[in-house]
Amino acid sequence: KQEVTQIPAALSVPEGENLVLNCSFTDSAIYNLQWFRQDPGKGLTSLLLIQSSQREQTSGRLNASLDKSSGRSTLYIAASQPGDSATYLCAVFTGGFKTIFGAGTRLFVKA
Amino acid sequence: DAGVIQSPRHEVTEMGQEVTLRCKPISGHDYLFWYRQTMMRGLELLIYFNNNVPIDDSGMPEDRFSAKMPNASFSTLKIQPSEPRDSAVYFCASSPRLVAGGRESGETQYFGPGTRLLVL
Repeated sequence: KQEVTQIPAALSVPEGENLVLNCSFTDSAIYNLQWFRQDPGKGLTSLLLIQSSQREQTSGRLNASLDKSSGRSTLYIAASQPGDSATYLCAVFTGGFKTIFGAGTRLFVKA
Repeated sequence: DAGVIQSPRHEVTEMGQEVTLRCKPISGHDYLFWYRQTMMRGLELLIYFNNNVPIDDSGMPEDRFSAKMPNASFSTLKIQPSEPRDSAVYFCASSPRLVAGGRESGETQYFGPGTRLLVL
């Protein structure tokens, strides 16, 4: 059974700091991995999607990497800003068209 | 496009009552997903549809839950009778396709704002 774990559960950093969020999954047979952002009381917004054949994706200050063999992904946020404060969720898309989500990392960027 | 639309945004009801949640996916999307989010269990997939047909409902917790998609632009999730433990945020999401060039690749899912359900 696929399980997705995110570490840390919560993170507080000063503005301007570079940071890394971690995601691990137990079954490497995935089709893709996605990083989402969720603001309080809101839905999820997709940030980056990495296909199983890819190693990384970049969008602005965000960079996501994928190592399928080790079951790991990282989301790198450069020069963090208070507006980056949110919960970040990692999700893997598995066989049977199911998406399995991690519990998320709650990020707070202090001004 | 207006994105995925869900209604109502908030619902408060009493135990035993029927609850119906509604979703309008993004036009042209072939896949529709219903999720439930709680503090204890996180985000869980309940059921998903492909071209209006339910494909996998193994995540539906009990027979009290049912979902329909009568046409490409509308889906409902019904709970009858509702119980306090059903209190959660229910999200609907849609996706344009999950198979590309004969190879399963997955596409981004677009989430609605959610329905916050409280069963007293």
